[in-house]
Amino acid sequence: AQSVAQPEDQVNVAEGNPLTVKCTYSVSGNPYLFWYVQYPNRGLQFLLKYITGDNLVKGSYGFEAEFNKSQTSFHLKKPSALVSDSALYFCAVRDIGDDKIIFGKGTRLHILP
Amino acid sequence: DTAVSQTPKYLVTQMGNDKSIKCEQNLGHDTMYWYKQDSKKFLKIMFSYNNKELIINETVPNRFSPKSPDKAHLNLHINSLELGDSAVYFCASSQMAGGTDTQYFGPGTRLTVL
Repeated sequence: AQSVAQPEDQVNVAEGNPLTVKCTYSVSGNPYLFWYVQYPNRGLQFLLKYITGDNLVKGSYGFEAEFNKSQTSFHLKKPSALVSDSALYFCAVRDIGDDKIIFGKGTRLHILP
Repeated sequence: DTAVSQTPKYLVTQMGNDKSIKCEQNLGHDTMYWYKQDSKKFLKIMFSYNNKELIINETVPNRFSPKSPDKAHLNLHINSLELGDSAVYFCASSQMAGGTDTQYFGPGTRLTVL
């Protein structure tokens, strides 16, 4: 069965600095990987996904993520953080042939002005 | 226009009551989902329907019964509400099931059982 881990409950970054939110996964086959963001009192919004092809995926709001098969990781990154990036970030994985997505427990990102 | 909408946004009720949450999507998607997000923000899938047919049914008490009258709607009925049912319930939709499609989430329904 697939699983996904977000090892950090919270990440604090100063505005303007690069940010990384970590995600590792476990699947039986090739994974489909997703990042979603949740702002307070809102539903989840899609940021980006990896299906196949280039390991570096670019998404919304300047975010990108790198698929690393050997390390089974899909870390979310942004070169320069904004205060408005402060939110809860979810990594998710879907195993090929499976209908459901498994979400990580979420990482709260605080961007300090 | 809201792509995925849910009603009500807030629901406060007594233990033992029966309540329903409605979800509608205007994206023309074939697949819809119900998720439960607990107080620790952990998000877990409950049900999924594809073209009005149930395709995912996780380990959820029988008190929870989804109903999909058509592809654009997926409602969630909960009988005999318990304190542990308090959570935020999210509806979502995607173009198809089992693929690579992005899921689009509704704004959530915060259920509080007293």
